[in-house]
Amino acid sequence: DAEITQSPRHKITETGRQVTLACHQTWNHNNMFWYRQDLGHGLRLIHYSYGVQDTNKGEVSDGYSVSRSNTEDLPLTLESAASSQTSVYFCASSAGTSGSTDTQYFGPGTRLTVL
Amino acid sequence: AQKVTQAQTEISVVEKEDVTLDCVYETRDTTYYLFWYKQPPSGELVFLIRRNSFDEQNEISGRYSWNFQKSTSSFNFTITASQVVDSAVYFCALSEADAGNMLTFGGGTRLMVKP
Repeated sequence: DAEITQSPRHKITETGRQVTLACHQTWNHNNMFWYRQDLGHGLRLIHYSYGVQDTNKGEVSDGYSVSRSNTEDLPLTLESAASSQTSVYFCASSAGTSGSTDTQYFGPGTRLTVL
Repeated sequence: AQKVTQAQTEISVVEKEDVTLDCVYETRDTTYYLFWYKQPPSGELVFLIRRNSFDEQNEISGRYSWNFQKSTSSFNFTITASQVVDSAVYFCALSEADAGNMLTFGGGTRLMVKP
C-alpha cells in the first residue's frame, strides 16, 4: 500500500547541531509539506514543495531548509538546532498540480528534542 | 489572511452523549476548502472530511456529521453517541484556492470521552 513515512520517529540532539528529518511518500504526489506542532499553536507550515526542484517558505521557515531532488522525498534540515525548535514535526503530501487544493495526508510525525 | 478558530480547547463528555465541536473561519476568498482531522493519543493525523465552499450540504458519515454554514462562517462537527475511542484532538483547517494547497489549522479541540 502507498504510504508516507518519517524517520526518525524520535530524536534528541544538542543545541547548535545540524539535524535532518526524513520524509518519504510512495503515492507519487507532487505536493509535499512540513509542519510543526506546538501546544497552543496547532500546526504551522514550515516549508512546502509543489514538485522536483521547487521549494517555498511557509509561516515559520526561519532556521529550516528543504530540498526536493525527487518526487518521493522532502528532507527537512535544521541548520543549527535551537531549543525553540523542540517540537513534533509532521510531513504531508497531496496529489494534483501546484496550487490545487487536494487533501493532505500526513506522516506519523517525528518528535524532536533539542537540549 | 485566512484564520481558523476553535474556541473550545477541551471538552469532556460521558460515553453515549452527543458532542459538537465548533469551527469558525475567516477568509476573503470565494473559493476555499475546509477540513477536519483527528489526532488520537497515538499522535498521527487522520483525515476525516473535506468540503468546498460551494457545497453547503450537510454531511453524515456513521456517527459523524458536519454542518457547514457560510452565513456564519462555521463548519461544525458533531459526534453522535460518543464512544471512548472518539477521545482525540480534532483540528479544523482551511485552504484558500488562491493560496495553493496551504492549510491553516485551528488550535484544536481535545475531546475526552469518559466511560
